[in-house]
Amino acid sequence: GESVGLHLPTLSVQEGDNSIINCAYSNSASDYFIWYKQESGKGPQFIIDIRSNMDKRQGQRVTVLLNKTVKHLSLQIAATQPGDSAVYFCAENMNTGNQFYFGTGTSLTVIP
Amino acid sequence: NAGVTQTPKFRVLKTGQSMTLLCAQDMNHEYMYWYRQDPGMGLRLIHYSVGEGTTAKGEVPDGYNVSRLKKQNFLLGLESAAPSQTSVYFCASSFIGANSPLHFGNGTRLTVT
Repeated sequence: GESVGLHLPTLSVQEGDNSIINCAYSNSASDYFIWYKQESGKGPQFIIDIRSNMDKRQGQRVTVLLNKTVKHLSLQIAATQPGDSAVYFCAENMNTGNQFYFGTGTSLTVIP
Repeated sequence: NAGVTQTPKFRVLKTGQSMTLLCAQDMNHEYMYWYRQDPGMGLRLIHYSVGEGTTAKGEVPDGYNVSRLKKQNFLLGLESAAPSQTSVYFCASSFIGANSPLHFGNGTRLTVT
């Protein structure tokens, strides 16, 4: 899966299926994490965030899971739609001046 | 409410030329950032600012300068452009303090020939 460092470049899913995008982060001191969506020609767009005192957070069709033991973050998208096709980034907050470090991204393609 | 606005959207420079990228935000955010995005490398922090009149270096600051004369604006300058600075540049802003999400502009695509 994606990491702040390594990444799984592409993921293809059928429309209507669930998608899971993974991210491995490196710093055990990071205490805040965000998933961003980036469409072609646009800037990253906030999807959902989670703080380190939580292990799960749900939004509209999206769920973020945090496993601090193995430093792993995942984004689950339910009933994936063509409009979900984009590059997805995870970001960890190093808590220094609100600086974030970003993974290299996973490209999600939804097959109609 | 425009959010974060970057100008220009595209620019082509010759090696050695200079230019300034402008970022403006209307969300009253204290913090502002400049990132560059290159294929396969994700977003890397160039410089950031935690308030008007203050700037700090990020991960890849060499060859760039910044200024934050007004709270709503954050300028990124290239004094002598190099081909290695060909990239897409993103400005972002956030509220003060840790654990505040970044809000991004739509980027400036810069090509240095």
